[in-house]
Amino acid sequence: DIQMTQSPSSVSASVGDRVTITCRASQDISSSLAWYQQRPGKAPHLLMYSASSLQGGVPSRFSGSGSGTDFTLTITSLQPEDLATYYCQQTSSFPLTFGGGTKVEIK
Amino acid sequence: EVQLFESGGDLVQPGGSVRLSCEAYGFTLNNFAMTWVRQAPGKGLEWVATIDSSGGSGTHYADSVKGRFTISRDGSKNMLYLYMNSLRVDDTAVYYCVRPRISNPHTRCFAPWGQGTLVIVSS
Repeated sequence: DIQMTQSPSSVSASVGDRVTITCRASQDISSSLAWYQQRPGKAPHLLMYSASSLQGGVPSRFSGSGSGTDFTLTITSLQPEDLATYYCQQTSSFPLTFGGGTKVEIK
Repeated sequence: EVQLFESGGDLVQPGGSVRLSCEAYGFTLNNFAMTWVRQAPGKGLEWVATIDSSGGSGTHYADSVKGRFTISRDGSKNMLYLYMNSLRVDDTAVYYCVRPRISNPHTRCFAPWGQGTLVIVSS
């Protein structure tokens, strides 16, 4: 099974700050990576797919990069509505696996 | 608009059974591989099971549910199901029905998600 490791587990930042979340796969998954945002009490929703493609309707302050085993999700200018937990997911092979999540808090 | 609505969550005793349902709107469910993902209270996301689109016949299960859970679909009703048997306390979770972003057998990122249905396994 492919293990997905996210860091940090939580981050606190101010509105307008740049926030970077890292996801590492235990083996090469090429660009088969998705990112999700889960706001408190809500279902997750898709932010990025194929590591760097922005899902429709997602603000352009979100971006993704990486390939192989190391990936990042960047929020260039943190907004209050970005308070959420963010998950990466490898889409390369079954069993599909998620990272443990990164909780983003607003200072 | 593409939407998914889950139902069937309940309080169940250990060893019991429950059937979850997911009704799909705005698309033909048979054209997509469909998946269940769960989230235990205060925990992260866990993939549970996937059924291939109607053109394929495959099902895939997490080791934690293999042999106990069965995923199936009824194309005539545009419904997805998850039959859950021999339930354990650690099956307690919100269960989400999810669809791939596009109708491609190799697309395994999910949009949209349903609102989820809660299964509590407790005596």
